[in-house]
Amino acid sequence: GQNIDQPTEMTATEGAIVQINCTYQTSGFNGLFWYQQHAGEAPTFLSYNVLDGLEEKGRFSSFLSRSKGYSYLLLKELQMKDSASYLCAVMDSNYQLIWGAGTKLIIKP
Amino acid sequence: NAGVTQTPKFRILKIGQSMTLQCAQDMNHNYMYWYRQDPGMGLKLIYYSVGAGITDKGEVPNGYNVSRSTTEDFPLRLELAAPSQTSVYFCASSYSEEGTEAFFGQGTRLTVV
Repeated sequence: GQNIDQPTEMTATEGAIVQINCTYQTSGFNGLFWYQQHAGEAPTFLSYNVLDGLEEKGRFSSFLSRSKGYSYLLLKELQMKDSASYLCAVMDSNYQLIWGAGTKLIIKP
Repeated sequence: NAGVTQTPKFRILKIGQSMTLQCAQDMNHNYMYWYRQDPGMGLKLIYYSVGAGITDKGEVPNGYNVSRSTTEDFPLRLELAAPSQTSVYFCASSYSEEGTEAFFGQGTRLTVV
């Protein structure tokens, strides 16, 4: 079966750095997405990786290793507004998105 | 710039009732999707469409129906609502299926009692 694993919840301190991991087992691979979802709101796009390596976008970076079935989202200089759930999703060989359950990130002052 | 518009935001249905969740996008996207999101679970694809007149089942289609008569609109129909359909429903659209971000509507929180 297809599976996306990410931690259920993480806690970090304002101003610090946090890394949210995602491992996947899917039928084929056509890219990995990270979305941010604030409580009660819609998911919004953060990043897309299809090749191995690091993609940097401001305070957020996303890394992919296809051989290991592994990705992480790195958030730097954490702000209180970064408190949200972070969803990892993999596009399989049929171009269907398989979603992880999300990681709830709690930022403490 | 409206993006993806979903209505209603909240709804309470009685068991056996029917309703239609509306979804419209103004970005001229060919691809549209309906997901449900349950607590502690990833988004599950209900139905999707790759263009006007074309729809296909996703992972959890039972109890739902869709139509796509125009590029803009993609309504989701619930027939004979059941408590298992209590969930948050999201409509989304994308320009293509490969490597492009999906834009989501604000969601519909549905409770079936």
